[in-house]
Amino acid sequence: DGGITQSPKYLFRKEGQNVTLSCEQNLNHDAMYWYRQDPGQGLRLIYYSQIVNDFQKGDIAEGYSVSREKKESFPLTVTSAQKNPTAFYLCASSAGVVSPLHFGNGTRLTVT
Amino acid sequence: GQQVMQIPQYQHVQEGEDFTTYCNSSTTLSNIQWYKQRPGGHPVFLIQLVKSGEVKKQKRLTFQFGEAKKNSSLHITATQTTDVGTYFCAGYSGAGSYQLTFGKGTKLSVIP
Repeated sequence: DGGITQSPKYLFRKEGQNVTLSCEQNLNHDAMYWYRQDPGQGLRLIYYSQIVNDFQKGDIAEGYSVSREKKESFPLTVTSAQKNPTAFYLCASSAGVVSPLHFGNGTRLTVT
Repeated sequence: GQQVMQIPQYQHVQEGEDFTTYCNSSTTLSNIQWYKQRPGGHPVFLIQLVKSGEVKKQKRLTFQFGEAKKNSSLHITATQTTDVGTYFCAGYSGAGSYQLTFGKGTKLSVIP
């Protein structure tokens, strides 16, 4: 079955540590995205990538970094500079830049 | 920047009643997409509307795109407990923007 795999499902970190969230897709999609979801806030775009080795900042990129070295993979690093990192993180992919998004199951990050 | 407002934020209905959620954009949209997120789950794509005044139906769900392409609605007829979840609209403004902006969602509860 084709899809998007995010791991782990739950992640706990101490304040001041960087943490990397994994996202892998086998849908052969060109575009990939990272969204952050907080209660009552909807989905806010962190970074997106339309093609390998290229990515753009979304609305809330500060404190985050990404890489796109392979078409299938788009890892997100939450750095210690992110002031409020505790959230539900969703990775998505799409066949094209205005095509529907396919989401992974998400990673719930808790930083204490 | 582009803003997408969605109302109401919450809706509680008795099973069998109808439900409508409304989406309004601050800018003209090139297309609009609707997603459903079940409790504890991830958003799942429902439909995409592209044309001005477009109406699409999926069983008990009716989706409309406004004539000015700045608003949209989702109407569910005779709700069932399986309809429970949060419904999000999301739009592209076009004009070189590849960011899909999400509304904050409408959380639907269905009382059996």
